[in-house]
Amino acid sequence: ETGVTQTPRHLVMGMTNKKSLKCEQHLGHNAMYWYKQSAKKPLELMFVYSLEERVENNSVPSRFSPECPNSSHLFLHLHTLQPEDSALYLCASSQETTSRSNTGELFFGEGSRLTVL
Amino acid sequence: DQQVKQNSPSLSVQEGRISILNCDYTNSMFDYFLWYKKYPAEGPTFLISISSIKDKNEDGRFTVFLNKSAKHLSLHIVPSQPGDSAVYFCAASARGGADGLTFGKGTHLIIQP
Repeated sequence: ETGVTQTPRHLVMGMTNKKSLKCEQHLGHNAMYWYKQSAKKPLELMFVYSLEERVENNSVPSRFSPECPNSSHLFLHLHTLQPEDSALYLCASSQETTSRSNTGELFFGEGSRLTVL
Repeated sequence: DQQVKQNSPSLSVQEGRISILNCDYTNSMFDYFLWYKKYPAEGPTFLISISSIKDKNEDGRFTVFLNKSAKHLSLHIVPSQPGDSAVYFCAASARGGADGLTFGKGTHLIIQP
């Protein structure tokens, strides 16, 4: 099993659909993240879950709804999206500690390419 | 406002020569910097990092230099190889990474044979 797996790899949905992206990590990490990558833009942090609790959501629109049922799984529920939400959505995980040696190194999945029609 | 900037969208280097990718940041709270490499249709993979207490970190063909006073870091790849062709993202974190990483837009490195 690869470290961080995302499904589906590709998703096409209409603006009125409801769909979900799934992420699973097999690294024993305690933090998981959703990032959005749009063309010609930096990777944008959307959500952070540490120890299954959301710690940051960066003012993401409510049409994106994350869910973290346990430390190994992360979902991104999508509803009434807009065409400008079309992007590559990357999941990542890391091992967060309280020590100063914590570096924030992330392990990424391959991404879910979302197209909103 | 972008806190991590990679001002060169692309860079073309001849095989065997040195590739230098640059990154500037504005947030003085950043204390750890990373470089990620990304191939098409794959997620970014970690390449090399540097703590703000150092000014250089070397790993094989890859060296990262940090100039804190200029808020600038660079990634040197020498010698460049065809497999190095990819998009390179500069990233930074503050407070030990507790807030996640802030990424630049990336630089597409093309190694010419």
